[in-house]
Amino acid sequence: AQSVTQLGSHVSVSEGALVLLRCNYSSSVPPYLFWYVQYPNQGLQLLLKYTTGATLVKGINGFEAEFKKSETSFHLTKPSAHMSDAAEYFCAVSDRIEGKLIFGQGTELSVKP
Amino acid sequence: DADVTQTPRNRITKTGKRIMLECSQTKGHDRMYWYRQDPGLGLRLIYYSFDVKDINKGEISDGYSVSRQAQAKFSLSLESAIPNQTALYFCATSAGAVEQYFGPGTRLTVT
Repeated sequence: AQSVTQLGSHVSVSEGALVLLRCNYSSSVPPYLFWYVQYPNQGLQLLLKYTTGATLVKGINGFEAEFKKSETSFHLTKPSAHMSDAAEYFCAVSDRIEGKLIFGQGTELSVKP
Repeated sequence: DADVTQTPRNRITKTGKRIMLECSQTKGHDRMYWYRQDPGLGLRLIYYSFDVKDINKGEISDGYSVSRQAQAKFSLSLESAIPNQTALYFCATSAGAVEQYFGPGTRLTVT
């Protein structure tokens, strides 16, 4: 079985500050890991994914995440927040065969001027 | 044009009514999925299909049914809608296990 826990349902940062959104997962098989972003009244857009290889993955809009197997974590970071980063962020895990996504509960990111 | 489309985008219906949500894709993917989003719960899988003849239940299939009319079309039905089915519904497609592409969502309200 697989599960995802996102620590913090709401995170607020100042513009220009570091963004850190936490995600821990549980999986009995080597997982695929994903971060999706949802802007208001829109669908989900893939930010980045880890499948294999390099554990530090870079995504769109300056975001990156590091897969740490020993900590079962896949935290999302961005060095400097921008107002346009305000959105809801979802961490997700899937197996490597069926591809069914198991999502965390989401973290709403607010960016203050 | 969008690769994954959903109709309707918004729907208000009454308890006990049958309603169908439709999803179409132009990406040529075999795999299609239906998810439900509730505040504080993230997205949960309702049904998924790997081809026209392969349909599988997801985590929360009770009260829902699906139809895969063609490779490009996957419909979700609520046979008798109830208020706790009020949610945002997303369709997604994929070519394999690596990445899913989501539609814009259907906001359903059951009164």
